[in-house]
Amino acid sequence: EDQVTQSPEALRLQEGESSSLNCSYTVSGLRGLFWYRQDPGKGPEFLFTLYSAGEEKEKERLKATLTKKESFLHITAPKPEDSATYLCAVQAISSGSARQLTFGSGTQLTVLP
Amino acid sequence: DGGITQSPKYLFRKEGQNVTLSCEQNLNHDAMYWYRQDPGQGLRLIYYSQIVNDFQKGDIAEGYSVSREKKESFPLTVTSAQKNPTAFYLCASSTSGDTQYFGPGTRLTVL
Repeated sequence: EDQVTQSPEALRLQEGESSSLNCSYTVSGLRGLFWYRQDPGKGPEFLFTLYSAGEEKEKERLKATLTKKESFLHITAPKPEDSATYLCAVQAISSGSARQLTFGSGTQLTVLP
Repeated sequence: DGGITQSPKYLFRKEGQNVTLSCEQNLNHDAMYWYRQDPGQGLRLIYYSQIVNDFQKGDIAEGYSVSREKKESFPLTVTSAQKNPTAFYLCASSTSGDTQYFGPGTRLTVL
């Protein structure tokens, strides 16, 4: 059974204080790993897809990396507007054409001014 | 503007009632999905559809039903058989299983 564990559950940072969010996964064969941002009461917003170990992607203050067992979302010099819940999801090769996602429970990030 | 719309934003259900949540997309995506989100938990898949007139159960399909009569639309009915329906419901779509894009969600509350 595919599993995704995100840590920490909650993280409070001062503005400008860089940190990382962790996503550990267990999957029979990884097709893709996805990061989403979710604001309270809204739908998740797509951030990144990573497909193979060693791959990295960046967007503004965010950088996602992938190894064979985990992914990190690095946040550099965060601003209060980066406050949100960050969700990680994996897509297994075994999901076939359905391409189902298995989600972690998220990390709630708060950036204080 | 292309996107996914869900309605209503808030929905209240009395015990024993069936309610239907709407999901429409104009992205020309083939696949559509319904998820349920509870506080402190990850999104869980209810139903998905890869083509018109075909759909499959996800991990928590009991007490729910769907239809896919048009490519653009994938409504979800929460039946009275669903014992704990209070949750945030999210619809998503994708092109042939690539990145899933989500709608704004519907919050369902049982009175």
